[in-house]
Amino acid sequence: DAKTTQPNSMESNEEEPVHLPCNHSTISGTDYIHWYRQLPSQGPEYVIHGLTSNVNNRMASLAIAEDRKSSTLILHRATLRDAAVYYCILREGLNTGTASKLTFGTGTRLQVTL
Amino acid sequence: DGGITQSPKYLFRKEGQNVTLSCEQNLNHDAMYWYRQDPGQGLRLIYYSQIVNDFQKGDIAEGYSVSREKKESFPLTVTSAQKNPTAFYLCASSTQANSPLHFGNGTRLTVT
Repeated sequence: DAKTTQPNSMESNEEEPVHLPCNHSTISGTDYIHWYRQLPSQGPEYVIHGLTSNVNNRMASLAIAEDRKSSTLILHRATLRDAAVYYCILREGLNTGTASKLTFGTGTRLQVTL
Repeated sequence: DGGITQSPKYLFRKEGQNVTLSCEQNLNHDAMYWYRQDPGQGLRLIYYSQIVNDFQKGDIAEGYSVSREKKESFPLTVTSAQKNPTAFYLCASSTQANSPLHFGNGTRLTVT
């Protein structure tokens, strides 16, 4: 499985944008980039995913480098509720009928302060 | 509301006993997954199932067993052969396509 590298922790002030980086230099052409976040004692929650183009949804934006070897999750205005561990994961491109497994690293612990 | 239900939330067992963790989903997803998480660590894949009556070993399958007799259910048995069973166990599901995983809220197993 392709691996990702993320900083162990980051801090942000509330109401400010947050850019969470992820390196995935060994990404293959068919790997999708997924982001999840996990609050303490809860299961991870899907945030966003993309393949090549930048993606936006109600939770966040995903900026993908042109060579796809890195990506950045952007939280436009951090709130205290955004404090969590954020995981950047590569999901194998799928052949029809195949469920691929996701390999989680240790993620980035985001702290948000007032 | 559709979702994944894991029960119980907390589970305590004596060493040497097998224990089965429940995972039920009503999302009509074909694929289901079991992950283990240790304190301060990421998730590690135990088993996954693409479809009913089929499952594959993940990265740390030793000491665990699963079954997939129904689409909605994917129970995990932690056997006495698992040397360090105390952990947070997470179940997830997804459609067959490259879609996000939906996770349950986990079962925290403590074996003493």
